[in-house]
Amino acid sequence: DAKTTQPPSMDCAEGRAANLPCNHSTISGNEYVYWYRQIHSQGPQYIIHGLKNNETNEMASLIITEDRKSSTLILPHATLRDTAVYYCIAGASGGSNYKLTFGKGTLLTVNP
Amino acid sequence: NAGVTQTPKFRVLKTGQSMTLLCAQDMNHEYMYWYRQDPGMGLRLIHYSVGEGTTAKGEVPDGYNVSRLKKQNFLLGLESAAPSQTSVYFCASSYPIYEQYFGPGTRLTVT
Repeated sequence: DAKTTQPPSMDCAEGRAANLPCNHSTISGNEYVYWYRQIHSQGPQYIIHGLKNNETNEMASLIITEDRKSSTLILPHATLRDTAVYYCIAGASGGSNYKLTFGKGTLLTVNP
Repeated sequence: NAGVTQTPKFRVLKTGQSMTLLCAQDMNHEYMYWYRQDPGMGLRLIHYSVGEGTTAKGEVPDGYNVSRLKKQNFLLGLESAAPSQTSVYFCASSYPIYEQYFGPGTRLTVT
């Protein structure tokens, strides 16, 4: 899996958009970008993933740069319940790879 | 659907004791995983399974054994617990691999 780099912490005001960056400059062509989050004491939760196109679902949007060396997870209207550690993971899907490598992530704190 | 469940939720062991953690999923997923998480750390993969009857080592397998006799269950065993195994253990299942569903965790303390 490609190494990812994330800031250790970020703050965001409630109701504003939260933009979480991730650097994955060594990502290879068949590796996806995945985002998970972990709310305190709970198991991680899948958010979104993408290969090279921007993706959106009910939770978030994922913007991947054209060279695929970095990406941004966007929570459009952050709430207090979005306070969590957010993990960016780069890894292949299928074939002989069946696992994801979680780093330390970014602690996002949403403030009232 | 219960999703992924873990038993027990909490446990305190003495050094040298053994125990088994049970993970069960009702989503018919092929892949299952055991992770550990220590304070301030991300999740580290202990062992995983890509189907019934199969297991494979992850990043930190030493001191643990696993079995996947039934598709819905994945067992993690500690034969001789050590204080270094004090951690929170998470089980997950998935198919395909990118959307892993996690259990609530087991908090294990080894004294």
